[in-house]
Amino acid sequence: AQSVTQLGSHVSVSEGALVLLRCNYSSSVPPYLFWYVQYPNQGLQLLLKYTTGATLVKGINGFEAEFKKSETSFHLTKPSAHMSDAAEYFCAVSASGGYQKVTFGTGTKLQVIP
Amino acid sequence: DAGVTQSPTHLIKTRGQQVTLRCSPKSGHDTVSWYQQALGQGPQFIFQYYEEEERQRGNFPDRFSGHQFPNYSSELNVNALLLGDSALYLCASSFMGQGWADTQYFGPGTRLTVL
Repeated sequence: AQSVTQLGSHVSVSEGALVLLRCNYSSSVPPYLFWYVQYPNQGLQLLLKYTTGATLVKGINGFEAEFKKSETSFHLTKPSAHMSDAAEYFCAVSASGGYQKVTFGTGTKLQVIP
Repeated sequence: DAGVTQSPTHLIKTRGQQVTLRCSPKSGHDTVSWYQQALGQGPQFIFQYYEEEERQRGNFPDRFSGHQFPNYSSELNVNALLLGDSALYLCASSFMGQGWADTQYFGPGTRLTVL
């Protein structure tokens, strides 16, 4: 069984400030972890993923996330927020290997204040 | 390179009707998964198709059924529609290489409204 908890359904940051979106996961097997972004009335776009290897993962648009097994966390960060980052962000987990059922968190809506 | 495409974009149905949604996977992908995203929620896994067979299923009733065709495209069928079926339906495709499915890429979704 697997689950994801995203802390904070809404996060507001000023333009140029650090973005930190929190995600904790639960998985009975080694997980694959993902962050997706969704703009209004659109599908989901993959930002980054962790499968194996390096625990610091870099993605598109300057985002990165660090897999911390001891804390069961996969927080998403970006050093400097841009207005175009305003969107909803979803953390997701799947079991490594086999058919990939992906379990999503409930999402965090990021607001960027000019 | 075409990404995942879905049709129609929007659909309005009444309670009790049946609906069919369609998905074409990204070029080179052979696995299709379907998700339901209710307003303000994260996507919920419905089922996944590979080699024309349902491989995994989430907690959805039998009113939700699917099909995968030899060209890897897929359909999602929902019978006896309920108001609660109103949602954005997302299709995701991936490649089942080396015995496991790689990253899923999502289409833009079909917005279903049940009146």
